[in-house]
Amino acid sequence: DTEVTQTPKHLVMGMTNKKSLKCEQHMGHRAMYWYKQKAKKPPELMFVYSYEKLSINESVPSRFSPECPNSSLLNLHLHALQPEDSALYLCASSREGQNNQPQHFGDGTRLSIL
Amino acid sequence: GNSVTQMEGPVTLSEEAFLTINCTYTATGYPSLFWYVQYPGEGLQLLLKATKADDKGSNKGFEATYRKETTSFHLEKGSVQVSDSAVYFCALLKTNTGNQFYFGTGTSLTVIP
Repeated sequence: DTEVTQTPKHLVMGMTNKKSLKCEQHMGHRAMYWYKQKAKKPPELMFVYSYEKLSINESVPSRFSPECPNSSLLNLHLHALQPEDSALYLCASSREGQNNQPQHFGDGTRLSIL
Repeated sequence: GNSVTQMEGPVTLSEEAFLTINCTYTATGYPSLFWYVQYPGEGLQLLLKATKADDKGSNKGFEATYRKETTSFHLEKGSVQVSDSAVYFCALLKTNTGNQFYFGTGTSLTVIP
């Protein structure tokens, strides 16, 4: 069992749809992350939130819009996605302000764009 | 810059064989080093970590020692099991880059009975 919960586990959507991915953690972590992982590849960092503020955006296209409504929740809003956006989207969290802390990952949302 | 290099896979071993997955890193200063494991259909799970030179991380029979002189963090297990079949990622953490992880490319391990 993971302490970072992601919903939904699977999502199929058309290129004109709007959907959201959700992530929740109750470990008191103040840093949260979105990653994109393609098959047989390592995770690629998309966004980092620190104390509910966006601190890193790795030049992600605007069709991906992150949101951190409170310290436990992280959303990723999706709109007008392309087939190449099909991937596993992973959320992670870690303690902020302390060195050497590992990131805790959820099981991901497997996204397919038709 | 910061980077991690892992040995290419896939690796196939018989049950009870010895496992080594090589990992070397490039970084300034004193990064922390991690091994994560990803089972099919799941996210990444922390396997072990080491935060300073000569530290040895260990968990579930896996070990890795932080070698600053060779900039390495090789993963080893004395006797693998079928249940160890997964993808293994070596990772480096530099906190002065916003808690950003740098992952290796991953090594797929298959253990056959």
